[in-house]
Amino acid sequence: EAGVTQFPSHSVIEKGQTVTLRCDPISGHDNLYWYRRVMGKEIKFLLHFVKESKQDESGMPNNRFLAERTGGTYSTLKVQPAELEDSGVYFCASSPGGAGANVLTFGAGSRLTVL
Amino acid sequence: RKEVEQDPGPFNVPEGATVAFNCTYSNSASQSFFWYRQDCRKEPKLLMSVYSSGNEDGRFTAQLNRASQYISLLIRDSKLSDSATYLCAVSWYSSASKIIFGSGTRLSIRP
Repeated sequence: EAGVTQFPSHSVIEKGQTVTLRCDPISGHDNLYWYRRVMGKEIKFLLHFVKESKQDESGMPNNRFLAERTGGTYSTLKVQPAELEDSGVYFCASSPGGAGANVLTFGAGSRLTVL
Repeated sequence: RKEVEQDPGPFNVPEGATVAFNCTYSNSASQSFFWYRQDCRKEPKLLMSVYSSGNEDGRFTAQLNRASQYISLLIRDSKLSDSATYLCAVSWYSSASKIIFGSGTRLSIRP
């Protein structure tokens, strides 16, 4: 079974540019989460999709961040325009519905560096 | 106060030792609890869920203390390969919902 796949693995952009991160969850997983880890800090929740619907987006830092999950399969997280403080590792995780819904499988992360 | 707090460590212990760390959570209504392991520059991976009655998986034992609002992880007979950062995670609900992570406790096992 393929795991959670994230692309790109590393992106280096300049302040003010736009970056789009992509996450392909495990096939059949209804729940998809985005998290961010800034150097030296905890992994912070950004948002949670159930299929194509945003269940909880309380962790999104501001309106420069836009997440979508059209069709309830893969998800994208766009940062526009990027700021220096957006640098970090963006993790995507997925989980099935039902009993295992709280057991997350993480992708390898997308490291974003904003210069 | 952070929602989930952990001692960052590092804990530096010899191979074969027993080591334990705790994690406290602020929301008394929290329902689900987990320990994840994260190796350097890798993604977190689920180590074990934590059940109310406590649970064991080989050398690892997890316990929940609802009264004092903490979970613990005990590692017996530690191996070099146990060196990693251990993250506790808490969810307010038993179904799919936001899961909040602690900042992790770094463990280093020396030969």
